[in-house]
Amino acid sequence: AQSVTQPDIHITVSEGASLELRCNYSYGATPYLFWYVQSPGQGLQLLLKYFSGDTLVQGIKGFEAEFKRSQSSFNLRKPSVHWSDAAEYFCAVGPGYSSASKIIFGSGTRLSIRP
Amino acid sequence: DGGITQSPKYLFRKEGQNVTLSCEQNLNHDAMYWYRQDPGQGLRLIYYSQIVNDFQKGDIAEGYSVSREKKESFPLTVTSAQKNPTAFYLCASSIDGAGDYGYTFGSGTRLTVV
Repeated sequence: AQSVTQPDIHITVSEGASLELRCNYSYGATPYLFWYVQSPGQGLQLLLKYFSGDTLVQGIKGFEAEFKRSQSSFNLRKPSVHWSDAAEYFCAVGPGYSSASKIIFGSGTRLSIRP
Repeated sequence: DGGITQSPKYLFRKEGQNVTLSCEQNLNHDAMYWYRQDPGQGLRLIYYSQIVNDFQKGDIAEGYSVSREKKESFPLTVTSAQKNPTAFYLCASSIDGAGDYGYTFGSGTRLTVV
């Protein structure tokens, strides 16, 4: 069965430091992969998505993610974080060519920014 | 601008009452979804609908009901049978039932039992 694991529940980084949020997935076919961000009390906003092709995907707000099939990973990165990046981040895997008809979300990683 | 509107933003329910959360989209999306979010538990799927007049149970459907009479609307009713309804509820939509292009989310409704 498909699944998504975000091993880090909470991460704190200093403003201006680099960031990497981990995501591992389990999926039988070619996955569609997504990263979403959620500010407190708000809905989720799509940061970026991977369907096929170039394994390094650029998203909004200066984020990028790299798909590594050999490691079943899709880690999110940002070279220099800003205080406004403090939020909850969700990795998700899509149904691709399956008939599952729904996206599976990870449990989320809460990002705090140290001034 | 196209999007998803959830209302109300905050909702208070007394014990034993049914309440209905509204979700409307003007994106012309075929599929719509309801999620429940509790602290530290991520998103859990309650119900989803791929087309009008059709819907399926998700992982935690007990105590909830939905309808999909119009493409734009997917209201969720939290019934008195839901033992612990206090949570943040998110509605989402996708272009089609496969969801390959990702979901668009509303801004959520926070339901509190008083």
